[in-house]
Amino acid sequence: NAGVTQTPKFRVLKTGQSMTLLCAQDMNHEYMYWYRQDPGMGLRLIHYSVGEGTTAKGEVPDGYNVSRLKKQNFLLGLESAAPSQTSVYFCASSWHTDWQNEQFFGPGTRLTVL
Amino acid sequence: KNEVEQSPQNLTAQEGEFITINCSYSVGISALHWLQQHPGGGIVSLFMLSSGKKKHGRLIATINIQEKHSSLHITASHPRDSAVYICAPRDGGKLIFGQGTTLQVKP
Repeated sequence: NAGVTQTPKFRVLKTGQSMTLLCAQDMNHEYMYWYRQDPGMGLRLIHYSVGEGTTAKGEVPDGYNVSRLKKQNFLLGLESAAPSQTSVYFCASSWHTDWQNEQFFGPGTRLTVL
Repeated sequence: KNEVEQSPQNLTAQEGEFITINCSYSVGISALHWLQQHPGGGIVSLFMLSSGKKKHGRLIATINIQEKHSSLHITASHPRDSAVYICAPRDGGKLIFGQGTTLQVKP
């Protein structure tokens, strides 16, 4: 099993460009999450999904949109990239949000917006 | 004030030393996770605990829910333990992540 994979691993955008980050998991997990990690700060939740066809806002959702059309995929979109969105993005998945359930993380996508 | 405070922020140790990383939080929680982020960026879960103590190999995690405090201990530290260790209390259905403690273990 590949676990949680993210595409692409690196990307450089110009301000105003758009892009989509893809997260895929092969563990049949119900819950999926998108986080961003910035220097000196803990991981922050952008959006999450509790199942196919559902999405919800996290702590820092502005400037991002998400979709969960298939259970195994969770897409994060930037419609008009801004330099403030320069960050490392991590996707994660879990069976449930119950405390006993471990979150499995992808390898991360390093995004730079010029 | 951050909801999750880790100390120290940075730690350098000699191989073989006993290491303690502390985590204090201000929110009411149902459980707490400890995560390890490797120098290459990958994040793995080390522990999930809601009370008492858990042990896995040379790693021990403890939590005191009443005092809102958790500790991660590493016995007989090794250079391969060099990583960022992240405390993440669970508030409802969401994890709240600390800034992390950067550990370097020198041979």
